Amino acid sequence: EDKVVQSPLSLVVHEGDTVTLNCSYEVTNFRSLLWYKQEKKAPTFLFMLTSSGIEKKSGRLSSILDKKELFSILNITATQTGDSAVYLCAGSTGANNLFFGTGTRLTVIP
Amino acid sequence: DAGVIQSPRHEVTEMGQEVTLRCKPISGHDYLFWYRQTMMRGLELLIYFNNNVPIDDSGMPEDRFSAKMPNASFSTLKIQPSEPRDSAVYFCASSFGGSPLHFGNGTRLTVT
Repeated sequence: EDKVVQSPLSLVVHEGDTVTLNCSYEVTNFRSLLWYKQEKKAPTFLFMLTSSGIEKKSGRLSSILDKKELFSILNITATQTGDSAVYLCAGSTGANNLFFGTGTRLTVIP
Repeated sequence: DAGVIQSPRHEVTEMGQEVTLRCKPISGHDYLFWYRQTMMRGLELLIYFNNNVPIDDSGMPEDRFSAKMPNASFSTLKIQPSEPRDSAVYFCASSFGGSPLHFGNGTRLTVT
């Protein structure tokens, strides 16, 4: 059965801290790994990773995929209160389907 | 670009009633997905369409759930009869080819 597991389930940090969110996956016909940020409403897209070892960056956020060990990490440096959200990881199959983890809830305290 | 549009935003209904959720995907997108989100199970795929044709409905919980996509700009998810355990946030998402999914703001369904 396809599954995506995220850890930790929740995390509370202070502004300025650096955080690392983890995602492990077992997805049949794996094509790519995606990260989304969900605040109050719709998940919004952050990164799509298809190749091992190539870091993707967007401002203070970065992510990397390890296809041998079947995991990905999302790093956020110099966290801000606006980073508070649920971060979702999803594995994509060749059938254009996404299997989501249950998310990591990040709370950044001023 | 208006994004994926879902209606209604909130729906409160009594057990046994029919519920219809609506979705307008982003123009030009050829894939449409219906997801359900709960605290316990996270985001679960219910069904997805490609070019208006249902491709995989294995996530639809029971025969009480049905989905249609009569044209490229509209889809419905119907629950009949509804039950309290159907209470969740239902998201519609669309994409073009292998691009990342774009989600609507969801419909929060409460069945009492």
